Amino acid sequence: NAGVTQTPKFQVLKTGQSMTLQCAQDMNHEYMSWYRQDPGMGLRLIHYSVGAGITDQGEVPNGYNVSRSTTEDFPLRLLSAAPSQTSVYFCASSLIFLPGLNSPLHFGNGTRLTVT
Amino acid sequence: KQEVTQIPAALSVPEGENLVLNCSFTDSAIYNLQWFRQDPGKGLTSLLLIQSSQREQTSGRLNASLDKSSGRSTLYIAASQPGDSATYLCAVSADRGSTLGRLYFGRGTQLTVWP
Repeated sequence: NAGVTQTPKFQVLKTGQSMTLQCAQDMNHEYMSWYRQDPGMGLRLIHYSVGAGITDQGEVPNGYNVSRSTTEDFPLRLLSAAPSQTSVYFCASSLIFLPGLNSPLHFGNGTRLTVT
Repeated sequence: KQEVTQIPAALSVPEGENLVLNCSFTDSAIYNLQWFRQDPGKGLTSLLLIQSSQREQTSGRLNASLDKSSGRSTLYIAASQPGDSATYLCAVSADRGSTLGRLYFGRGTQLTVWP
């Protein structure tokens, strides 16, 4: 059981470049989300989706786009990379929108992004 | 906006000690609270989830309590082991309005258990 798979694990971009961080889950989870983790800041929600075709913004959505064309995949697009987007990005999913007693949040292993 | 604080930021203890990690949150309108473990270079692993109507949850040597009215949760680790060394994060899920279902994370407590 693969769980939540993120690719790539590491990425270096130059300012202004664009790229897509991939996230896939094989647990038939409705809810998927993207977080960034910065030293001293904790995890902050970027975007989330409660099902295929439905996405919404989190706390820090600027500079990022998402789409959810299938239940399994939730890619995160950086439109024009900036040094402030240097961070570790985590994708997470849960069975239902409101994580219930038997529906905790499952995380991928993260993508470490550096923008120079 | 919900603020989640974890104290202490770091903790170093000898093997075998019982220890308590603290989490506090500013808005008591939560749906649930989760405790996670994060190992270096890895994602987060859910340890315990407490619904807002519950007072505690237990899993093995871990016990988490929730006092929603005072905005506090504690994670109790019994008989700590070196394998418990990791960063422990708590997160609360908002229960209303535009923030329904969003998780707000604390910055974590970095635990080191030495032999």
